[in-house]
Amino acid sequence: EAEVAQSPRYKITEKSQAVAFWCDPISGHATLYWYRQILGQGPELLVQFQDESVVDDSQLPKDRFSAERLKGVDSTLKIQPAELGDSAMYLCASSSLDRGNEQFFGPGTRLTVL
Amino acid sequence: SQKIEQNSEALNIQEGKTATLTCNYTNYSPAYLQWYRQDPGRGPVFLLLIRENEKEKRKERLKVTFDTTLKQSLFHITASQPADSATYLCALADSSYKLIFGSGTRLLVRP
Repeated sequence: EAEVAQSPRYKITEKSQAVAFWCDPISGHATLYWYRQILGQGPELLVQFQDESVVDDSQLPKDRFSAERLKGVDSTLKIQPAELGDSAMYLCASSSLDRGNEQFFGPGTRLTVL
Repeated sequence: SQKIEQNSEALNIQEGKTATLTCNYTNYSPAYLQWYRQDPGRGPVFLLLIRENEKEKRKERLKVTFDTTLKQSLFHITASQPADSATYLCALADSSYKLIFGSGTRLLVRP
């Protein structure tokens, strides 16, 4: 079965540096999500795309985070500058209307900010 | 404010027994509820979806109930196996289909 791809799997950076994460959703999935998961908590939605358009970024810290999905396929999430509190797992998920709202998650990127 | 509560303490049961996990919510009117499984260092995996007008849903050894009066969902795994050990997350969606996740309950199944 097709899977959501994410890279890198792990990223260690120093505070004030810029980091970027990449996600390739399952082919044909119009909806793409970026979540942040802090250890011991559930995933929290940062941004949701429908094709190339943002439909929800209410929880995205826009002063330092940005996300894009230029051609409505793969997506990039950027943090600049990174802060210590950004250390978390960043998960990408995708879904399609014919599967209801079943979301397929990628393996995640574990970010550590030193 | 909206709140989803899952038991933060791990559930430790003997192989072959039924595991029952609880998801309670307040200040929320979900259109549907989903359960996901998450293994350490991995992304969540979808298990079951139950809509607000459904009382119960089954899939193989899994059963989910949804009581909108009690504002509670119960997730059951019958004939549990050590391979069922993982963290189980409930997630609620409102009419906008945005998912709000609980913090999850860790299940440990002893052989």
